[in-house]
Amino acid sequence: AQTVTQSQPEMSVQEAETVTLSCTYDTSESDYYLFWYKQPPSRQMILVIRQEAYKQQNATENRFSVNFQKAAKSFSLKISDSQLGDAAMYFCAYRRENNNDMRFGAGTRLTVKP
Amino acid sequence: DSGVTQTPKHLITATGQRVTLRCSPRSGDLSVYWYQQSLDQGLQFLIQYYNGEERAKGNILERFSAQQFPDLHSELNLSSLELGDSALYFCASSPGLAGSSSYEQYFGPGTRLTVT
Repeated sequence: AQTVTQSQPEMSVQEAETVTLSCTYDTSESDYYLFWYKQPPSRQMILVIRQEAYKQQNATENRFSVNFQKAAKSFSLKISDSQLGDAAMYFCAYRRENNNDMRFGAGTRLTVKP
Repeated sequence: DSGVTQTPKHLITATGQRVTLRCSPRSGDLSVYWYQQSLDQGLQFLIQYYNGEERAKGNILERFSAQQFPDLHSELNLSSLELGDSALYFCASSPGLAGSSSYEQYFGPGTRLTVT
């Protein structure tokens, strides 16, 4: 069974600094997709970034980038120039090819200090 | 705004009762997914419908059922409610089936269910 582990229940970062959130997953598949979702206090789930396993290049979306290590089954999220609005729960998610459900990690609560 | 709508926003009901949660997917999306998020937990996949047909089932209780209608909106029915069913219920939609693309899922704002 595929599982997603986020080992950091809480993280804190100073405004304008950089923070990295960790995620590992367990799978025997070679084709799959990985996602980071942000859930602010409004509880809305917002897609931050996605990565296709077949792509070697790490995905980047503005201040958000990932470090995808396929062999290590690791998928960390780096947030640069942190802003107060980045404060939220961050969920790592996995979905394998030809499968319809996503598996989510337990989440990391990110606090941004002014 | 993801384009996915869910009603109601909040629902308070008593144990043993039955409720229906409603979801309208983004325009053009054929797949609808339901997730349950208990307090401070990750999301648990419940069920998926594609163009009116059930396509995948996750950890959905027998007391729960869902359907997708010809206009593609979906309803999640929860019956014989227990205190432990209190949670945030999310609906998500995507254009098609998994596998044809790395279709991410777009989430609605959720329905908060409180069972007292």
